Amino acid sequence: DAGVIQSPRHEVTEMGQEVTLRCKPISGHNSLFWYRQTMMRGLELLIYFNNNVPIDDSGMPEDRFSAKMPNASFSTLKIQPSEPRDSAVYFCASSLIGATPDRGLGETQYFGPGTRLLVL
Amino acid sequence: AQKVTQAQTEISVVEKEDVTLDCVYETRDTTYYLFWYKQPPSGELVFLIRRNSFDEQNEISGRYSWNFQKSTSSFNFTITASQVVDSAVYFCALTEKAAGNKLTFGGGTRVLVKP
Repeated sequence: DAGVIQSPRHEVTEMGQEVTLRCKPISGHNSLFWYRQTMMRGLELLIYFNNNVPIDDSGMPEDRFSAKMPNASFSTLKIQPSEPRDSAVYFCASSLIGATPDRGLGETQYFGPGTRLLVL
Repeated sequence: AQKVTQAQTEISVVEKEDVTLDCVYETRDTTYYLFWYKQPPSGELVFLIRRNSFDEQNEISGRYSWNFQKSTSSFNFTITASQVVDSAVYFCALTEKAAGNKLTFGGGTRVLVKP
């Protein structure tokens, strides 16, 4: 089975432009997560969805960031307008909640290969 | 609030040496899960292991082994007879019941295995 798929793998854009990152979770998984990795802040959770519904977006930096999950097999993370400080690697991860007796806590998250974003 | 500390930022060893990566966590919850992920130079994050708070049994998988001690809030990772392919950044992570399914990562430990 294919793992988590992210596109594009690399993106170079100019400040002020809109950037859209895409993610296809593992088939059958019901939770999806967006992370950002930078040297300064490490790996940080931006937002996550359960059954396509956003559960916690407290990690989203500001209103310039938005995420959607229109169906179980697709999610987008959009930055508009982009700024140089948004340069980072963005990871998408998915997991299956509910497979363990404790109602899904601690389910393993499987990560996509990441999108390396550079905003000039 | 949950917190994960990996005090070692970088470890350098010569091939075939053993290397132990420390991970200390903080949580107020009694139900939680601990994870280790590997990030090789290619950049992807590879899942290695998950351990729940009710199972303190140590685990061995090939050259990898994990030591979970609730008394010291530690979940250490040992690579035995290291190989050059083990060179990567290793992340310890925690999720607790109160935080739902949110993973909190440590800062990572970079392991460099020299031939």
